[in-house]
Amino acid sequence: GAVVSQHPSWVICKSGTSVKIECRSLDFQATTMFWYRQFPKQSLMLMATSNEGSKATYEQGVEKDKFLINHASLTLSTLTVTSAHPEDSSFYICSARDHRSRGANTGELFFGEGSRLTVL
Amino acid sequence: SQQGEEDPQALSIQEGENATMNCSYKTSINNLQWYRQNSGRGLVHLILIRSNEREKHSGRLRVTLDTSKKSSSLLITASRAADTASYFCASQGAQKLVFGQGTRLTINP
Repeated sequence: GAVVSQHPSWVICKSGTSVKIECRSLDFQATTMFWYRQFPKQSLMLMATSNEGSKATYEQGVEKDKFLINHASLTLSTLTVTSAHPEDSSFYICSARDHRSRGANTGELFFGEGSRLTVL
Repeated sequence: SQQGEEDPQALSIQEGENATMNCSYKTSINNLQWYRQNSGRGLVHLILIRSNEREKHSGRLRVTLDTSKKSSSLLITASRAADTASYFCASQGAQKLVFGQGTRLTINP
């Protein structure tokens, strides 16, 4: 099946620093990628929809200046947590839709393994 | 809230028994999907049922969909210890995939 790779799988940083998380589709092109956040023992909350070549669409309540998303190519989207604070500690998961499903919204999403961020 | 609801939140059964999880969603959908997540890992797609389907099978999985009640159920038959995980339904609308709260399933050997 399709593979989505996330890197790093875990990161520990000091408060005030910025952290970049990469999401790559390895064997397909993804015009759309999604970034989710998951707190322990809770569900996934959609943060933003990342569209290749255009600005990301953020969900209500998600600070776009705090969580910078870049989708510069059909296989790579990045999430940068800027000036991270302990409350940003969470499990961040990306997912991607194969571009061949574009417009159909009928296909499954392929998920990365997630990135666990711990801000000290 | 963007979240759908799932029940039960946690389910513990003996190996070999069947496990049933229920999901409700809020808006009209194109399809509904079920995913599995092992602790601290990403999600694995299990099965997708389209809005015009009522029931679908895949191996030991059986999914039903009732669009009039905006609800779905996932049945895992003949459960195995390896089925221990969290299970999430996800409703696919026009733009977004919205996840339910999830059910933590524990299969006791």
